Amino acid sequence: NAGVTQTPKFQVLKTGQSMTLQCAQDMNHEYMSWYRQDPGMGLRLIHYSVGAGITDQGEVPNGYNVSRSTTEDFPLRLLSAAPSQTSVYFCASSYVGQGTGFGDGYTFGSGTRLTVV
Amino acid sequence: AQRVTQPEKLLSVFKGAPVELKCNYSYSGSPELFWYVQYSRQRLQLLLRHISRESIKGFTADLNKGETSFHLKKPFAQEEDSAMYYCALRGTGFQKLVFGTGTRLLVSP
Repeated sequence: NAGVTQTPKFQVLKTGQSMTLQCAQDMNHEYMSWYRQDPGMGLRLIHYSVGAGITDQGEVPNGYNVSRSTTEDFPLRLLSAAPSQTSVYFCASSYVGQGTGFGDGYTFGSGTRLTVV
Repeated sequence: AQRVTQPEKLLSVFKGAPVELKCNYSYSGSPELFWYVQYSRQRLQLLLRHISRESIKGFTADLNKGETSFHLKKPFAQEEDSAMYYCALRGTGFQKLVFGTGTRLLVSP
């Protein structure tokens, strides 16, 4: 059981380049989301999805696109990378309407460390 | 709007000392509160969620709706508790999780 898998782990981009960060989960979770983690700012929600074909914007969506064609995958696309997008990106998933057990919380991937030069 | 405030960026204590990491929230409905821990450059791990009332690694937290707080406590800190701690909130009927800015806990020998 792999949980939430993010690729790549590290990436360096030049300003203006585009790329896709991959996120896949094998827990049949309906809900998936992307966060960016910056020093002093905690984790901020970029985009989220409550099921295949359904996506919505979070707190900091500008410069990012998402799609959800399958339950398992939720890729994050950077359209034209900027130095301000240098960050660590985390993908998280859960069941919609989580249960009350400790193990029913959100599951996070190991992160992608992105540097834009 | 959902908002989580962690007023301390850094909390430094000695091994064996009590620990309290503060978390205050703003939400008009009934929130679900979580604490997550992140060890150096690792993924976030769920430490505690108030609805399950389970205690992980000796940490506890009580939801105080009157003070809108969910402070994380441990009576005797250990060096392996050194990590980044995030408080998070999920609103009723919502799925998205809102995080505070985090508190770094440093436990010295």
